[in-house]
Amino acid sequence: NAGVTQTPKFQVLKTGQSMTLQCAQDMNHEYMSWYRQDPGMGLRLIHYSVGAGITDQGEVPNGYNVSRSTTEDFPLRLLSAAPSQTSVYFCASSYSGTGTDTQYFGPGTRLTVL
Amino acid sequence: QQPVQSPQAVILREGEDAVINCSSSKALYSVHWYRQKHGEAPVFLMILLKGGEQKGHEKISASFNEKKQQSSLYLTASQLSYSGTYFCGTEFSGGYNKLIFGAGTRLAVHP
Repeated sequence: NAGVTQTPKFQVLKTGQSMTLQCAQDMNHEYMSWYRQDPGMGLRLIHYSVGAGITDQGEVPNGYNVSRSTTEDFPLRLLSAAPSQTSVYFCASSYSGTGTDTQYFGPGTRLTVL
Repeated sequence: QQPVQSPQAVILREGEDAVINCSSSKALYSVHWYRQKHGEAPVFLMILLKGGEQKGHEKISASFNEKKQQSSLYLTASQLSYSGTYFCGTEFSGGYNKLIFGAGTRLAVHP
């Protein structure tokens, strides 16, 4: 199993550009989520999905869109990039998504917005 | 709602012990502990559940005090490989895994 994979590993955008961060998992996990990590802030939940076709907002959803058409994939779209979105983005998945379940994290995407 | 972790940083020599605390202002259902090495993804260590059930890592232990809404991670006889940043993630309802993470505790173990 590859586990949770993310592409690209690094990305530089100009303010106002849009892009999609890709996330895929091959563990047949129902629950997937996106976090951003800023220095000194820990990890903050952006959006999550409890299954194909079902998504919901986390702590910091503004400026981001998600959709989940398959169990395996959970892309994160930046609609109009802003410097405040410079961060490291982690995708995670777990089997059921309940509070007792282990989350597995992908390797991260390092995004810089100029 | 972000949990407070203490201390912010710890420096140890190999073989020394450390305790990392995670405190919440809101009643907890579960606490999840992760370790992250520089430039890498967070790696799961253990989950502590309301009611006392514990899962986790064989060489690191933890406690969960429901009355104090606090969890502590115990690192005994530390090894160089323990270096990294430790995060607690708190979950309040037992429902879907909407973890709220603390800011992290940086641990450095030196020979």
